[in-house]
Parts: sequence; structure tokens; C-alpha cells
Amino acid sequence: KNEVEQSPQNLTAQEGEFITINCSYSVGISALHWLQQHPGGGIVSLFMLSSGKKKHGRLIATINIQEKHSSLHITASHPRDSAVYICAVSLDSNYQLIWGAGTKLIIKP
Amino acid sequence: EAGVAQSPRYKIIEKRQSVAFWCNPISGHATLYWYQQILGQGPKLLIQFQNNGVVDDSQLPKDRFSAERLKGVDSTLKIQPAKLEDSAVYLCASSFSLAGNEQFFGPGTRLTVL
Repeated sequence: KNEVEQSPQNLTAQEGEFITINCSYSVGISALHWLQQHPGGGIVSLFMLSSGKKKHGRLIATINIQEKHSSLHITASHPRDSAVYICAVSLDSNYQLIWGAGTKLIIKP
Repeated sequence: EAGVAQSPRYKIIEKRQSVAFWCNPISGHATLYWYQQILGQGPKLLIQFQNNGVVDDSQLPKDRFSAERLKGVDSTLKIQPAKLEDSAVYLCASSFSLAGNEQFFGPGTRLTVL
């Protein structure tokens, strides 16, 4: 079993829809990261959080430490949001990043 | 503030040849990471430096891969000799320190081994 599980693996939605991507983990962490990777592009860090909720523009990330679960939400989705969204956790033992497999999001106009 | 710089952006070589990648982290970032990302997979950590010392190189194939960060600033990753399965994007990232800090990624080097 992977230490970081993401769902769904693939997600296709229409422009304007509310998007939710989920991440569950099974290890002790110091922080959870959400990152974005466009096709052929580098990786951009979206959020780093260890509790509660963070918001940046149309993106919202939440984490529930007790349930070891995090969600990334996109409101009013747009075709430019199409990318792979990756959840990664920093281990509390050595701060090494453990990566999820990513969620490929396609937003159709 | 300048981001993480990597070069080259693309490289095509034949198997058994050698190749080197360069990374310059964000100024002041003590921790530097090299990742390998094979198409369709998540990044795999190859090596992690704290200043000029190696923190973790457990997943680095040491028979063919080597990396250095001699002055604790920029870093070079080398593959010698390359194999077909080394075709991947090689990502460099840096963070202010080891302690769970946010990592900033460079644009990556796409390596194709023919």
C-alpha cells in the first residue's frame, strides 16, 4: 500500500465546475504539500499546510490531521487549470517528501 | 527573486554516453534536491544535499549516477554511462532548510536516451 494515496487518478470536468481532489496518507507528517505540474512543465508548489485550511485565489486546501486526509478544491474551474495535481507529505522523522501518484485534471471549455 | 535554474532544458544522447546536468538553487537555500521523473510517474528523489553534504542518496544508482555540490551552492548531476531507462525529466529543487520547508522546483531537464 502506498503511503500517500490520491483520488481520483483522472478527472475531466466542464469549465466552471467545482473540483475536489483528495489525498490520504498513512505516515506521520510535519507538513502536506499540494503541487501543480503542467504538461512538459516544471512543478509549482501551491500550498504547504500542517493544519486547517489555506486559500489562494480560486484554490483552497484543507487538511484533517486526525483523519490523515487532505483535499484540494478549485472553484469556478477554467481550462488553464488543466494539469497534474500532486499531493506530497514531509515525513516528521526526516522531512523527506513522499509523493502521491498525481491526479490528471482536464477542464473542458 | 530568481527561481531555481537548470540547464540544459533538453538533452538527447545515445546509450552508453555520458551526460551532466546543472542546477543553481535559489540564493540562500541550504537544501538542494535532485529528482528523476519518468513519464507518467511521480518524482523520485535521487539525492538530497544540505549545504555541501549529502543527506540522503539511498535511491541514487551509484554505479552510474553521481552528484556533487562542492561549494554548497550550485550542483551537478552526472550519468555515466547512460541507459535507455534513464530517459526521464531530471528536476532540481531547493528549500531554505531541511525542516519540512516548501520546495521550489526548477523547470527540469528532459533527457532522452536512444
